[in-house]
Amino acid sequence: AQSVAQPEDQVNVAEGNPLTVKCTYSVSGNPYLFWYVQYPNRGLQFLLKYITGDNLVKGSYGFEAEFNKSQTSFHLKKPSALVSDSALYFCAVRDPYSSASKIIFGSGTRLSIRP
Amino acid sequence: DADVTQTPRNRITKTGKRIMLECSQTKGHDRMYWYRQDPGLGLRLIYYSFDVKDINKGEISDGYSVSRQAQAKFSLSLESAIPNQTALYFCATSDSGRGRNQETQYFGPGTRLLVL
Repeated sequence: AQSVAQPEDQVNVAEGNPLTVKCTYSVSGNPYLFWYVQYPNRGLQFLLKYITGDNLVKGSYGFEAEFNKSQTSFHLKKPSALVSDSALYFCAVRDPYSSASKIIFGSGTRLSIRP
Repeated sequence: DADVTQTPRNRITKTGKRIMLECSQTKGHDRMYWYRQDPGLGLRLIYYSFDVKDINKGEISDGYSVSRQAQAKFSLSLESAIPNQTALYFCATSDSGRGRNQETQYFGPGTRLLVL
């Protein structure tokens, strides 16, 4: 069965510092991996995804994530945090080799950037 | 995403009432989904539809039903609402094609439901 874990409920970072939001997954084969962001009173917005190819994926708003197969991780990173990055971040995974599989979302990590 | 709309945006109802949440999209996508969001639990899939004639149960379909009236419309019904169905409900769409938007889901703004 596929699963995804976000071990931190909240991450606090000072503006200008690098940020990392952690995500680990479990699937039987090679996964499809996603990051979404949710701002207050809004739906989720797509940030980036790994389907195949280069392990380092670049997405919207300067975010990037690296697919690490040996560590089964897909951590979200940004070199220099902005206050406007404060939001709820969701990691998601799908096992493309399972005919009945759907995207499974993690429980979310609240990112707070202090000025 | 303005291409995916949900009505109503907020709803208060009483236990035992039947209610319907509606979702419409102008993205031309064939796949549509209903999720609920609860604090600390992330998003959980209720139902999904890969085309008009295809309806599938998700993780937590009990107490819910859906209807795919057209490619652009996917409604979620609570036949007899109960308080633990109080949550934020999201509709999402995706395209089955293998272009740059492969597997990407686009979400509506959500419906906040309170069952008293």
